Amino acid sequence: ETGVTQSPTHLIKTRGQQVTLRCSSQSGHNTVSWYQQALGQGPQFIFQYYREEENGRGNFPPRFSGLQFPNYSSELNVNALELDDSALYLCASSLVQTDTQYFGPGTRLTVL
Amino acid sequence: KNEVEQSPQNLTAQEGEFITINCSYSVGISALHWLQQHPGGGIVSLFMLSSGKKKHGRLIATINIQEKHSSLHITASHPRDSAVYICAVMNTDKLIFGTGTRLQVFP
Repeated sequence: ETGVTQSPTHLIKTRGQQVTLRCSSQSGHNTVSWYQQALGQGPQFIFQYYREEENGRGNFPPRFSGLQFPNYSSELNVNALELDDSALYLCASSLVQTDTQYFGPGTRLTVL
Repeated sequence: KNEVEQSPQNLTAQEGEFITINCSYSVGISALHWLQQHPGGGIVSLFMLSSGKKKHGRLIATINIQEKHSSLHITASHPRDSAVYICAVMNTDKLIFGTGTRLQVFP
């Protein structure tokens, strides 16, 4: 157990809907990163938050947005869902940006 | 071409065998991670290394910075080692992942 939790574990949405995924970081960790893992692929970096500010972003459109709260928990929001958004979404927390990342169990999103 | 390449993609072994998984990368890195992912998705960090070699139990990870290459070795493999092993490199504060090596160890 890494101490990083995510909710929900599974989610089914339809195309065009919006979704919010949640991540609770390991205690004391001020950095959270979000990843998208399509079936059979390695995770792809979405963005990173450090002390409530976005600190880097991968090649994802603006409909992917995030928040980090003062307690360092985090949300990933995806608007206007597309079928290709179906994936496992992972969050990982770390003490600082370049430290070992501790992964949550992931949220499996299916878009129909 | 992917920035992080792993080989082999799939690997089967008999219990007790020595296993090697390779990772090559083409970008500048500050560190390299080896991760283990079990069915269902949970990822566990096995090693983070920036030079030399690290050992934890039956697992050994090595990195050659000049050659941009890393290996993960499993000694005396066991069926519970069956998982996907992912190499990821830290590049400008973000992780770039390989596609993983699926390992199955049979009794």
